[in-house]
Amino acid sequence: AQTVTQSQPEMSVQEAETVTLSCTYDTSESNYYLFWYKQPPSRQMILVIRQEAYKQQNATENRFSVNFQKAAKSFSLKISDSQLGDTAMYFCAPLYGGSQGNLIFGKGTKLSVKP
Amino acid sequence: SQTIHQWPATLVQPVGSPLSLECTVEGTSNPNLYWYRQAAGRGLQLLFYSVGIGQISSEVPQNLSASRPQDRQFILSSKKLLLSDSGFYLCAWSLADEQYFGPGTRLTVT
Repeated sequence: AQTVTQSQPEMSVQEAETVTLSCTYDTSESNYYLFWYKQPPSRQMILVIRQEAYKQQNATENRFSVNFQKAAKSFSLKISDSQLGDTAMYFCAPLYGGSQGNLIFGKGTKLSVKP
Repeated sequence: SQTIHQWPATLVQPVGSPLSLECTVEGTSNPNLYWYRQAAGRGLQLLFYSVGIGQISSEVPQNLSASRPQDRQFILSSKKLLLSDSGFYLCAWSLADEQYFGPGTRLTVT
């Protein structure tokens, strides 16, 4: 079975500091996509960042970046200069099977940014 | 730009009653559509997905069904709700690999 593990159920960080959320996954596929989604208290699921498995370069999106280690099947999310609005649940979600495939969600990490 | 709508936003229904949740997408054609459920404190579980009108794939056998009567409309239904159907239901759409989610419906079965 394809599994996704987010080993940190809860984390907290001071405003303006940097935090890293971890994610590991298990698959035998060689080509796939990886996503981080954010779910604030409003519960709207928001796409934060994506990574194609065939790309070695780590994706970045403003204050958000990833550390993708394909051999280790690791996909961590780094948030720099944390802001109060970053407080949310964060879900790691691989997508296997191309555009016809389905996202597999981890259980999430609850991030609290403290002033 | 594309937008996705879900209604109702909140629903409280008694056990044994029927259910109909609706999802519509604007600004795109022939999207893939998805229904997910999120139980309290958990990640998302895929329930159904559709690649076209009338084409529905079920991921988890359960008390629910889905239909896609129009290209950009996706409906989640049940004939008789169970207590275990309570949760937060999210609809999503995609054209390629990225999925975009609606605002969700909070369903409480009493």
